[in-house]
Amino acid sequence: DGGITQSPKYLFRKEGQNVTLSCEQNLNHDAMYWYRQDPGQGLRLIYYSQIVNDFQKGDIAEGYSVSREKKESFPLTVTSAQKNPTAFYLCASRFLQTGGNTIYFGEGSWLTVV
Amino acid sequence: AQTVTQSQPEMSVQEAETVTLSCTYDTSENNYYLFWYKQPPSRQMILVIRQEAYKQQNATENRFSVNFQKAAKSFSLKISDSQLGDTAMYFCAFMSYGQNFVFGPGTRLSVLP
Repeated sequence: DGGITQSPKYLFRKEGQNVTLSCEQNLNHDAMYWYRQDPGQGLRLIYYSQIVNDFQKGDIAEGYSVSREKKESFPLTVTSAQKNPTAFYLCASRFLQTGGNTIYFGEGSWLTVV
Repeated sequence: AQTVTQSQPEMSVQEAETVTLSCTYDTSENNYYLFWYKQPPSRQMILVIRQEAYKQQNATENRFSVNFQKAAKSFSLKISDSQLGDTAMYFCAFMSYGQNFVFGPGTRLSVLP
């Protein structure tokens, strides 16, 4: 089935650790996105990528890093510099050409600092 | 920069009744898209309905319809015959060509039995 797969669904991080959230899509979408969602809040853009080997910072990029080595994959690393990483993380993707007017989401990953 | 406002943080409706969720946006663009996404307790973001700004006809998807007022920059969502499964957070979103999506803060809708 086509879609966006995020893993793991639940992740626990100790203070000072880096963790990586995986996002894979088989929709042949050009652009991929990472959003952060805090309880009861909206979506905030962390990073996005419109083409392989290129990405841009969103509104809250500090303490996060990404890579886009393959079109299908856009992993997000939450570094120890992110002081309050406990949140729900959503990966999304879409086409950029004509008709690419809808963004699709993965099922999300919960990150908790312990 | 574009902004999206949802002035109703929470709403409730009785099962089988009709409810309208409000959304306003600010843009200087003429061509753009508007969306409503639903996020149930599972947290999966699901596209409910999409409207293209150049189309005057309001979009409809089964029990979901929109009232798109371009001049007023208003994009409300009407849910008819509300069902318990409609309980969710609803996000209004805006996208202009070549730009990223902009999401509103969301409205938490509870459908009461």
